[in-house]
Amino acid sequence: EAGVAQSPRYKIIEKRQSVAFWCNPISGHATLYWYQQILGQGPKLLIQFQNNGVVDDSQLPKDRFSAERLKGVDSTLKIQPAKLEDSAVYLCASSLEGIPTYEQYFGPGTRLTVT
Amino acid sequence: DAKTTQPPSMDCAEGRAANLPCNHSTISGNEYVYWYRQIHSQGPQYIIHGLKNNETNEMASLIITEDRKSSTLILPHATLRDTAVYYCIVRVALSGSARQLTFGSGTQLTVLP
Repeated sequence: EAGVAQSPRYKIIEKRQSVAFWCNPISGHATLYWYQQILGQGPKLLIQFQNNGVVDDSQLPKDRFSAERLKGVDSTLKIQPAKLEDSAVYLCASSLEGIPTYEQYFGPGTRLTVT
Repeated sequence: DAKTTQPPSMDCAEGRAANLPCNHSTISGNEYVYWYRQIHSQGPQYIIHGLKNNETNEMASLIITEDRKSSTLILPHATLRDTAVYYCIVRVALSGSARQLTFGSGTQLTVLP
């Protein structure tokens, strides 16, 4: 079974530039999450999708961050414009829908450095 | 969700059992204890979960005290590949729209050769 795919793995940009991350969840997983992990901290949820719809985006800085999940499969997270404090690893995860579940499956993450 | 307390770091000799503690004194009756780990440069990985009873799978064992205020994750024969940050998370079952996980800072386990 293929895991959660993310690209790119690394990205370096200057502040005020834009950047986009892509995620392909495990086939059949209706729920998709984006987490931000700052160095030395645990991952923090940014946004959660269920199929095409947003379930929770309460911690997403909406003035600069946006995310979409077209056709309920792949997802893109965008930052525009980037700030120095956005330097972090951005993790995508997915899980099954319809039953109580205990597992989220995480991708390898995209490491963003803003200079 | 109940708050958890974990030591920031621990060492363990290769081949010995690694015992990682977690305190969750405010846990509610319907909250589970989940353990994930994150190896360097990888995403977190599910290990095990439990509600009341002790649990064991191919990766680890989870011991939950009778009052459920603390738990211990046991890696019976630690290897160098078990070096990772281990997260203890307490929350209700992931169902419906309430599936997000709230991670703390975890315990950095270093397995020494």
